Amino acid sequence: KAGVTQTPRYLIKTRGQQVTLSCSPISGHRSVSWYQQTPGQGLQFLFEYFSETQRNKGNFPGRFSGRQFSNSRSEMNVSTLELGDSALYLCASSGLLAGQSYEQYFGPGTRLTVT
Amino acid sequence: SQQGEEDPQALSIQEGENATMNCSYKTSINNLQWYRQNSGRGLVHLILIRSNEREKHSGRLRVTLDTSKKSSSLLITASRAADTASYFCATDRTGTASKLTFGTGTRLQVTL
Repeated sequence: KAGVTQTPRYLIKTRGQQVTLSCSPISGHRSVSWYQQTPGQGLQFLFEYFSETQRNKGNFPGRFSGRQFSNSRSEMNVSTLELGDSALYLCASSGLLAGQSYEQYFGPGTRLTVT
Repeated sequence: SQQGEEDPQALSIQEGENATMNCSYKTSINNLQWYRQNSGRGLVHLILIRSNEREKHSGRLRVTLDTSKKSSSLLITASRAADTASYFCATDRTGTASKLTFGTGTRLQVTL
């Protein structure tokens, strides 16, 4: 089985711009979660999508949004970029069913640099 | 904010030695998982232990969980240079199984 893929791998944007990151989960996985990793705040949960619906959300401002398509692929969007948005954005998929817990499979991440 | 803290923040050992990392968390949990991350790449799942389990083994890994102390430990036996990485514990709570809360991580360096 192919692993979780994320595109692009690296991105440089300017303050005020917006960015869209893409994630393709492992085939058959319906749950996709997004995390932000920074040296200061560590790994933080952004949101999770399951069957095209946002099921869980972390404590991030509304500038961070996401969506999931019928083929389970997911995108996250960050609008009006700030310097503090520079981070490694990780996507994870799991064969998670409601109420159960399974390990998550992470992609290699997208390294976003905001200048 | 992160729920857990890991101790130590950094650990340097020689190949063949055992490495022990500890994780503490603040609230009640459903499950606890350990992940490894190599140099700012994606995380790799190592092991999952449920809240009603006390110990679990997987190859050279041994994980313990003490829910009364809200703590867990990861033991890597007979370490190898390839084990050099950052190790994170992650917890989830009942009803939000997909929402993982990560610890601060332990940076392990295994030297030849």
